[in-house]
Amino acid sequence: GQQLNQSPQSMFIQEGEDVSMNCTSSSIFNTWLWYKQEPGEGPVLLIALYKAGELTSNGRLTAQFGITRKDSFLNISASIPSDVGIYFCAGHLNQGGSEKLVFGKGTKLTVNP
Amino acid sequence: NAGVMQNPRHLVRRRGQEARLRCSPMKGHSHVYWYRQLPEEGLKFMVYLQKENIIDESGMPKERFSAEFPKEGPSILRIQQVVRGDSAAYFCASSYASGRSPQHFGDGTRLSIL
Repeated sequence: GQQLNQSPQSMFIQEGEDVSMNCTSSSIFNTWLWYKQEPGEGPVLLIALYKAGELTSNGRLTAQFGITRKDSFLNISASIPSDVGIYFCAGHLNQGGSEKLVFGKGTKLTVNP
Repeated sequence: NAGVMQNPRHLVRRRGQEARLRCSPMKGHSHVYWYRQLPEEGLKFMVYLQKENIIDESGMPKERFSAEFPKEGPSILRIQQVVRGDSAAYFCASSYASGRSPQHFGDGTRLSIL
């Protein structure tokens, strides 16, 4: 089945630093999404990317949909303590009338104040 | 403007019992998805439903697991004769439509099997 390779697995950074994480796949996806999950909660949608090559920002977050539709990256600028959490990439599959998300294993971000 | 509501948030069952997990989608959403998450892992797709129809259950174990989304009321994920390996967080998501409509998640039900 489809798999997403997300890296790095974890990051420890100082407050104020920029962060970059990425996701690659052997399969093509029509949509890439980035979610953030905090302990005991569900994933919260950060950014959705619909078009190959698309670059989208949401505040301090910027994400790009790779031109081959097999990869995406997420950047966080000037990190703050509340950025702590696990960031997941997800590829959206729309095949034969079905819809599903395929998730990476996540990047766990720790921000030291 | 409530989001996706799941209950219970935590459920403890003994081996062999039944577990029922409920999900009320966001207002106006008619597409529901269930995912399972093991510790330190990403979410894994289980089943996709629209009102009164199962569209794709390819990610759901063939035995003991079932899902429904009736015309009235929440979607239910049912696990019969639970085993220790069923312990996980189960998340429900909903979307307004198929295609570009993004999926929004509830806060999950954490199922523990004694």
